[in-house]
Amino acid sequence: DGGITQSPKYLFRKEGQNVTLSCEQNLNHDAMYWYRQDPGQGLRLIYYSQIVNDFQKGDIAEGYSVSREKKESFPLTVTSAQKNPTAFYLCASSIYQSAGAGKTGELFFGEGSRLTVL
Amino acid sequence: QKEVEQDPGPLSVPEGAIVSLNCTYSNSAFQYFMWYRQYSRKGPELLMYTYSSGNKEDGRFTAQVDKSSKYISLFIRDSQPSDSATYLCAMSGPGTYKYIFGTGTRLKVLA
Repeated sequence: DGGITQSPKYLFRKEGQNVTLSCEQNLNHDAMYWYRQDPGQGLRLIYYSQIVNDFQKGDIAEGYSVSREKKESFPLTVTSAQKNPTAFYLCASSIYQSAGAGKTGELFFGEGSRLTVL
Repeated sequence: QKEVEQDPGPLSVPEGAIVSLNCTYSNSAFQYFMWYRQYSRKGPELLMYTYSSGNKEDGRFTAQVDKSSKYISLFIRDSQPSDSATYLCAMSGPGTYKYIFGTGTRLKVLA
């Protein structure tokens, strides 16, 4: 089955620790994304990557880091610099979306990772 | 003004009702429109995808886009208790990697 796998589903972190959330996709999608979801707020973009070895900051990148060494994988590290890391984190992917090329812009999500800071 | 506005609800309807969920947006460049269903503590599931204006039907779901009014809708026919979830709208322009999301509407279908 094609899809996006996020792990772990639940993670607890102590103050001052870095944690890494895993995201793997087997949809052969070029673009991958990390979003943060907080109650009462829309999805906020943390980082995105259009292609291997390249990624761009989203709207709330401070305190987060990513890497894109393989097309299938886009791990997110929540560093100790992130002031309020408790949230639901969502990884997503889409096929490359080029203007006028007729390619679709459907965005697919994983099941999410819930991070709680103790 | 937010780029996408969506009523947070909750919207409560009896089983079997027709549900109408809506979003308005301000950026006329948006051409790709999506509706997602999200159950509690789960990732959003893509329900409908529409390119540009028009209607699209899939089973009990119909997505409608009115670009002239900058208004999109999702209709759910014969609603079921299992449809109780939060529904998110999302949109994007061509050649961009940014998707803009509404804050979601909570729907409760009462048995």
